[in-house]
Amino acid sequence: AQSVSQHNHHVILSEAASLELGCNYSYGGTVNLFWYVQYPGQHLQLLLKYFSGDPLVKGIKGFEAEFIKSKFSFNLRKPSVQWSDTAEYFCAVNNNNAGNMLTFGGGTRLMVKP
Amino acid sequence: KAGVTQTPRYLIKTRGQQVTLSCSPISGHRSVSWYQQTPGQGLQFLFEYFSETQRNKGNFPGRFSGRQFSNSRSEMNVSTLELGDSALYLCASSLEGQGSQPQHFGDGTRLSIL
Repeated sequence: AQSVSQHNHHVILSEAASLELGCNYSYGGTVNLFWYVQYPGQHLQLLLKYFSGDPLVKGIKGFEAEFIKSKFSFNLRKPSVQWSDTAEYFCAVNNNNAGNMLTFGGGTRLMVKP
Repeated sequence: KAGVTQTPRYLIKTRGQQVTLSCSPISGHRSVSWYQQTPGQGLQFLFEYFSETQRNKGNFPGRFSGRQFSNSRSEMNVSTLELGDSALYLCASSLEGQGSQPQHFGDGTRLSIL
C-alpha cells in the first residue's frame, strides 16, 4: 500500500522567510502528486499538481513544488511567506491505477508571524 | 459555479445509531470520493463512486457504505455508530475518473458520537 510522509508537523516562520515543506511517498509506479491547503475555517483547496512533464510545477499564490522521482519526493516551496499563508498543508498522491483515490500525508501546520 | 455541497454541516448521534450524509458534486462532475478526517489518523480515503459504481474502497469496516445516484449526488451511510466514528467527513468531486483530475472538496460534515 502506498504511503505519504510529511516530515514537519508544525512550522513557524516570520513573514518574508522562505518555506520548504517536505513530502515523500512510497509507490514505485506512475503517480500523480498534489499539494492541498486548508486555511482556517475553509475547505481543502488545490495549491498545485504534477502529472507529467516539467518536474518543477508552479501553483497559486507563489507556491511551487519539485518532483524528484529518484527521491520519491515532492517538496513544496515559497520564497517569501506572508501572514495569510498561515494554514495546514497536505501532500497527496494518486497512483494511476486507483481512480481518484488520494493518499494524504499527515499535514503540516504553518504559522507565519507578522 | 457552485462548489461541492455537503449536508448536514453538523450531526450529533449516539452509539449504535446510524447516519446518512449527503454530497452534491460540482455540476458536471461524475466522480465523488469520501474521506474521513480525524486528529489522530489524518485524512483517510473511504470510497470513490464514478457513474453510480463504487470504483475504490479504503480500509474501513463494512459499517461504512455509500452510493451514487444518476445525477452524481452521493450519500454515505454509517451503521452501528461507534465513538471512534467521530470525525469530519469530507466529500470531493472531480470531472472524470482519472487520477490526474484535481478534486474539489466540500466543507465537510462534522459527526460527533456521544
